[in-house]
Amino acid sequence: DAGVIQSPRHEVTEMGQEVTLRCKPISGHNSLFWYRQTMMRGLELLIYFNNNVPIDDSGMPEDRFSAKMPNASFSTLKIQPSEPRDSAVYFCASTPGQLNEKLFFGSGTQLSVL
Amino acid sequence: AQSVTQLDSHVSVSEGTPVLLRCNYSSSYSPSLFWYVQHPNKGLQLLLKYTSAATLVKGINGFEAEFKKSETSFHLTKPSAHMSDAAEYFCVVRLSGNTPLVFGKGTRLSVIA
Repeated sequence: DAGVIQSPRHEVTEMGQEVTLRCKPISGHNSLFWYRQTMMRGLELLIYFNNNVPIDDSGMPEDRFSAKMPNASFSTLKIQPSEPRDSAVYFCASTPGQLNEKLFFGSGTQLSVL
Repeated sequence: AQSVTQLDSHVSVSEGTPVLLRCNYSSSYSPSLFWYVQHPNKGLQLLLKYTSAATLVKGINGFEAEFKKSETSFHLTKPSAHMSDAAEYFCVVRLSGNTPLVFGKGTRLSVIA
């Protein structure tokens, strides 16, 4: 299995632009998580899905952030408009079950908003 | 409220010497506890987990952790550090059965030759 696949690996954009991060979970995994990692706040859970349904989005910082999971093999995290403080590494992770502790992480997307 | 606290943001050890990465948790219940490792430019990987069986848990790459309820601690140890152990280590807790994992802020381990 190729593991969790995220794209792009790096994204540099200007303030105000729309940013879309993509994630393909491991086939057969029915839970998907979006995390954001910064030096100041560490690893923060933004949102997670179970069977394509958002379960908890309380970690989404504000309305500029949205996430979708249209099918079991694809999810997006969108920031519109982006701001410099959104600069971080965004990780996607998947697990076989909703409460499974073994998260399989992608390699992350390094986002820089100038 | 802070659920898991990693006491050191950075630990530096010499190759071949013991490693100790400290973690304390706060929970009213018996939590599930984990350690994850993140190598540079990579995603996180599960190192070991404690789920109320044996209090001493062995993980991959020679690491182990001991759950001490009286001290609310779950420190990670390794008898002898290897250069390849240099990475970021995260202590993680699940407070109750239906909540997602909560990650500590991480401890960066440096190994000096």
